[in-house]
Amino acid sequence: RKEVEQDPGPFNVPEGATVAFNCTYSNSASQSFFWYRQDCRKEPKLLMSVYSSGNEDGRFTAQLNRASQYISLLIRDSKLSDSATYLCVVSSAYSGAGSYQLTFGKGTKLSVIP
Amino acid sequence: EAGVTQSPTHLIKTRGQQATLRCSPISGHTSVYWYQQALGLGLQFLLWYDEGEERNRGNFPPRFSGRQFPNYSSELNVNALELEDSALYLCASSLLSYTEAFFGQGTRLTVV
Repeated sequence: RKEVEQDPGPFNVPEGATVAFNCTYSNSASQSFFWYRQDCRKEPKLLMSVYSSGNEDGRFTAQLNRASQYISLLIRDSKLSDSATYLCVVSSAYSGAGSYQLTFGKGTKLSVIP
Repeated sequence: EAGVTQSPTHLIKTRGQQATLRCSPISGHTSVYWYQQALGLGLQFLLWYDEGEERNRGNFPPRFSGRQFPNYSSELNVNALELEDSALYLCASSLLSYTEAFFGQGTRLTVV
């Protein structure tokens, strides 16, 4: 099982739609969780951190389920500018106490269509 | 505050040559990651440095190597370049090994 798995997509949705991305991770000792956004031929940028209680930032909602080792990102009222690849990122314990490594999923491509 | 800076932004080399890519992390960040991203593909993990030490490396041949300096800046070296090494090389830094990482704009390496 891959450390961080995402549905590669692509997800093609109309403007105004709600879209959900899912991500699973294999290391139960994972510490931190993030969603990044990457535009074509650009560097990934942090979209939001994911907290155990779930968190919301405008149209974006992130959820974490530690028991199922599952993270989700919900985008409401999709805009054309949301078209990008969304990367799930997990920080997992690595070789000894206090050391964690960030692991990126391969990303899910979203295209919002007019 | 300056973000992660990478140099050069573009690099053209011929097959068999060596390339050196540089990364300056955000001030105070001690963890540096290197990734390779070929056109249209996902991020491939190359190397992770933390506190001056190599902590992990991805599934790449030994001709990909690097180091982290005492000021936490980092260098990626690619020897005996092959055409397939053409890609965007991204560096990211984080304050601690479990906090969010911030990326530089990358070095676009073209091997001809």
